[in-house]
Amino acid sequence: GESVGLHLPTLSVQEGDNSIINCAYSNSASDYFIWYKQESGKGPQFIIDIRSNMDKRQGQRVTVLLNKTVKHLSLQIAATQPGDSAVYFCAETSAGTASKLTFGTGTRLQVTL
Amino acid sequence: SAVISQKPSRDICQRGTSLTIQCQVDSQVTMMFWYRQQPGQSLTLIATANQGSEATYESGFVIDKFPISRPNLTFSTLTVSNMSPEDSSIYLCSARTGGGVGGYTFGSGTRLTVV
Repeated sequence: GESVGLHLPTLSVQEGDNSIINCAYSNSASDYFIWYKQESGKGPQFIIDIRSNMDKRQGQRVTVLLNKTVKHLSLQIAATQPGDSAVYFCAETSAGTASKLTFGTGTRLQVTL
Repeated sequence: SAVISQKPSRDICQRGTSLTIQCQVDSQVTMMFWYRQQPGQSLTLIATANQGSEATYESGFVIDKFPISRPNLTFSTLTVSNMSPEDSSIYLCSARTGGGVGGYTFGSGTRLTVV
């Protein structure tokens, strides 16, 4: 069946290398950001989040960096594994948007062996 | 964490007909959302569905085309009315399931093809 992410920008990474996925957000008033992973045939799955009062947050094998000056968000995945292959979306929201999430365009991560 | 069951998972429909998509959450939630994800693209919010009030639609989406029901705190439906091939897409429901600003859970989506 058709896969989500056929026309999205693709990042190819070798297994074991680190991956960096970037996202530019649009609303300077956004104060909460989330990274999602979406595998084919599934809904988005929460990876990590960060509030606007932080520049960096680390999880298990993942790190999110936030640069509010240039409205840029990045997701770093350490020691990328084949199971990390998916489409990754950033999403932004704020208290002023009634909790509505606005999604970025997405990046397809392809892990090669 | 909460689990969302969405059905049907996929359907092929004739143009001019309507399809109702169901979304069931295994816990009570105040806020539910419906998204459209066109092939190879990101998620676009259609509407916010809060129990006890009319759904709030985003720019470009209207109630006549996408009527939404929210009869209780665990269930919502989205109907895609008078379908055309341009409505072929993945439709996803989501619920605010966690505390604070975060905590959104998504269903697996309904892949709709209109022929």
